[in-house]
Amino acid sequence: DQQVKQNSPSLSVQEGRISILNCDYTNSMFDYFLWYKKYPAEGPTFLISISSIKDKNEDGRFTVFLNKSAKHLSLHIVPSQPGDSAVYFCAASGLGAGSYQLTFGKGTKLSVIP
Amino acid sequence: EAGVAQSPRYKIIEKRQSVAFWCNPISGHATLYWYQQILGQGPKLLIQFQNNGVVDDSQLPKDRFSAERLKGVDSTLKIQPAKLEDSAVYLCASSGASGSYEQYFGPGTRLTVT
Repeated sequence: DQQVKQNSPSLSVQEGRISILNCDYTNSMFDYFLWYKKYPAEGPTFLISISSIKDKNEDGRFTVFLNKSAKHLSLHIVPSQPGDSAVYFCAASGLGAGSYQLTFGKGTKLSVIP
Repeated sequence: EAGVAQSPRYKIIEKRQSVAFWCNPISGHATLYWYQQILGQGPKLLIQFQNNGVVDDSQLPKDRFSAERLKGVDSTLKIQPAKLEDSAVYLCASSGASGSYEQYFGPGTRLTVT
């Protein structure tokens, strides 16, 4: 039973346009959410995060939106660049007292076309 | 600051053989994680260490997998005997300050069991 779902395995976007990656979760106990970016043959690298007490967090070209009632979050990349082409993982944390363990989705492969 | 180091980067073994992976976390990071990432899936937590003690190993298949973190620094993950379904990338991650959600990943070890 998947608690963090990324239903789009892949996404293609033109350079300069907006990329929107989506993530849904089922467990209302999750209280912190992160996005990781992964290039081939490398480990995931942290991109941006959001606490459940916020509905938006912005860092440069990257913005994460959280809709708690819908148990949904999204990552917006504006403008998209070819170097953004990678697999993006949504992760959630907060299960268990004092736990910072991450539960990951399956990932979405973003291709930014020049 | 040096990142998380892992070795070897690639390993091919036959089923029923044994294999060991090594991880050196970022200096000063007290928490260390081992993940298994099967092709097309997100990373799945196997075990979490805090210093040299195990915090959670509930998802570690203990009949064949073992892990240790002597002296609270380096860690090794062992599989004995390996099965075909153990083919995956094994990722090591570490985190620093107490209560930190952000994890830093190594490049991973790609294991192929034939």
